[in-house]
Amino acid sequence: GQNIDQPTEMTATEGAIVQINCTYQTSGFNGLFWYQQHAGEAPTFLSYNVLDGLEEKGRFSSFLSRSKGYSYLLLKELQMKDSASYLCAVMDSNYQLIWGAGTKLIIKP
Amino acid sequence: GAVVSQHPSRVICKSGTSVKIECRSLDFQATTMFWYRQFPKKSLMLMATSNEGSKATYEQGVEKDKFLINHASLTLSTLTVTSAHPEDSSFYICSARDREGPAQETQYFGPGTRLLVL
Repeated sequence: GQNIDQPTEMTATEGAIVQINCTYQTSGFNGLFWYQQHAGEAPTFLSYNVLDGLEEKGRFSSFLSRSKGYSYLLLKELQMKDSASYLCAVMDSNYQLIWGAGTKLIIKP
Repeated sequence: GAVVSQHPSRVICKSGTSVKIECRSLDFQATTMFWYRQFPKKSLMLMATSNEGSKATYEQGVEKDKFLINHASLTLSTLTVTSAHPEDSSFYICSARDREGPAQETQYFGPGTRLLVL
């Protein structure tokens, strides 16, 4: 079956760095997405990786290793507004998005 | 960036009534739109994939006669929850795929509709 695993919850300190991991097993691969979702709101697009390596976008970076079925989202210089759930999603061979359950990130002052 | 709107943002209705939710892509054409529902503290659950001008494809376990989807144009898809019951109370989110966007398969989400059935 298809499976996306990510930690349920993480806690970090304002100003610090946090890495949210995602491992996947899917039928085919057409890219991996990271979305941010604040409580009560819809997800917003953060990043898309389809090739191995690191994609940097401001304070956020996303890494992909297709051979390992692994990705991480790196958040630097954490701000209180970064408190949210972070969803990892993989597009399979049918171009369907398979969603992880999300990682709730709690930022403490 | 691509913008998707959803209306209404919040609706309360009586059991047995029908509710229509609209999803619009405001600045791009979306040949494919997706409808999700999300329960509290749970991940997104895909309900159906809606293609412009054709019948929607429903995920296993989703009743197509209860959740009617119409995708009449490249910028509008509607989800109608027919004969709503309290267990249909949920957060309904649509997304649209921007085929012209930088990441071709990226989905952009509407703000969601919170449905409460009394």
